Amino acid sequence: EDQVTQSPEALRLQEGESSSLNCSYTVSGLRGLFWYRQDPGKGPEFLFTLYSAGEEKEKERLKATLTKKESFLHITAPKPEDSATYLCAVQRGGKLIFGQGTELSVKP
Amino acid sequence: DVKVTQSSRYLVKRTGEKVFLECVQDMDHENMFWYRQDPGLGLRLIYFSYDVKMKEKGDIPEGYSVSREKKERFSLILESASTNQTSMYLCASGQGLINEQFFGPGTRLTVL
Repeated sequence: EDQVTQSPEALRLQEGESSSLNCSYTVSGLRGLFWYRQDPGKGPEFLFTLYSAGEEKEKERLKATLTKKESFLHITAPKPEDSATYLCAVQRGGKLIFGQGTELSVKP
Repeated sequence: DVKVTQSSRYLVKRTGEKVFLECVQDMDHENMFWYRQDPGLGLRLIYFSYDVKMKEKGDIPEGYSVSREKKERFSLILESASTNQTSMYLCASGQGLINEQFFGPGTRLTVL
């Protein structure tokens, strides 16, 4: 069964303390893996698409990487404004399967 | 920038009422989606559409219907609202086979 699991469920960091969020997936024939950021009470905001193992993408303090079984979202020197829930999704046919998300809190 | 708009940010309805949630996208995307998001259950797909007048059931279609009469507009209909349909409803649109989806701001629906 296709599945997406994110860990940890919640992560608290001090400002400047780098860390990584994990997204493990099982899907036959990965066509794309997506990362989103969601602020409370708002819709998810698209961040990255990764297509194949070994691929990396960066945006400001965020870097997403992909292996055959998982993806990592690395956050370098985070700031309080990076606090949000980060969602991972994989494509199955024409639909996306979402993980439960990791709630990130960055304290000043 | 892709823009997806939803008709209401907050909505309060009574049990048994018919509820319409509208979504409009301005990027000429072929694909449109309706999700609901609940704590502990994540994002769940209700219905989606690949073209005008086309609709496909998602994972939780019961109690809902949809309409897509124009490419840019996708409506979600709750025929007879129930309290267990209280949720955040999110619309998304996307294009092509690799389906990056762009989301609207969401509608927080409360059914009393």
